[in-house]
Amino acid sequence: DTAVSQTPKYLVTQMGNDKSIKCEQNLGHDTMYWYKQDSKKFLKIMFSYNNKELIINETVPNRFSPKSPDKAHLNLHINSLELGDSAVYFCASSQDAGSSQFFGPGTRLTVL
Amino acid sequence: EDQVTQSPEALRLQEGESSSLNCSYTVSGLRGLFWYRQDPGKGPEFLFTLYSAGEEKEKERLKATLTKKESFLHITAPKPEDSATYLCAVHPRGGSNYKLTFGKGTLLTVNP
Repeated sequence: DTAVSQTPKYLVTQMGNDKSIKCEQNLGHDTMYWYKQDSKKFLKIMFSYNNKELIINETVPNRFSPKSPDKAHLNLHINSLELGDSAVYFCASSQDAGSSQFFGPGTRLTVL
Repeated sequence: EDQVTQSPEALRLQEGESSSLNCSYTVSGLRGLFWYRQDPGKGPEFLFTLYSAGEEKEKERLKATLTKKESFLHITAPKPEDSATYLCAVHPRGGSNYKLTFGKGTLLTVNP
């Protein structure tokens, strides 16, 4: 069973389009995260939700909007995609603050 | 601001040649330090959590150690399957309880 899953694995789209990435965890964790990994492999936190409540919102353009319908799901919607949005986006989850985070397989987004 | 610096950026070893990876950190109090392994095209895989100076943890050929300023990941008699990027992350006290700050990673290549 996959602990943290993301869909789609690959996403290729044109500039200006709107797209969504979905994440689900079956670990029973309370906290979920979105990270962006750029071409230099640097992993940076974007958002975090705890029990469906937004608790971390780093300096991210407001074109990015996370949504958590329940504790097991955290989706990421991106409006008006730009070339610079091309990256790998990882979802992660943890039981609570300070616990180890478990990552999904990533979604490679390519904006043309 | 919290900072994590990993060195070297890349390390090439022969099979059986032991070595160490370094993670230096600057945080206003450390709640925990995490080591992850990332294979190409996959999400980071959790390896260890260290909480206090002097703590050590081992898993197969890997041993992680922690001081007040840095952590080392020692690799004993590595095999080609140990080839991966190793990421270090810190969880600081204070501020957001949920935010990890990652280093840029060390790309380890083990040649047969």
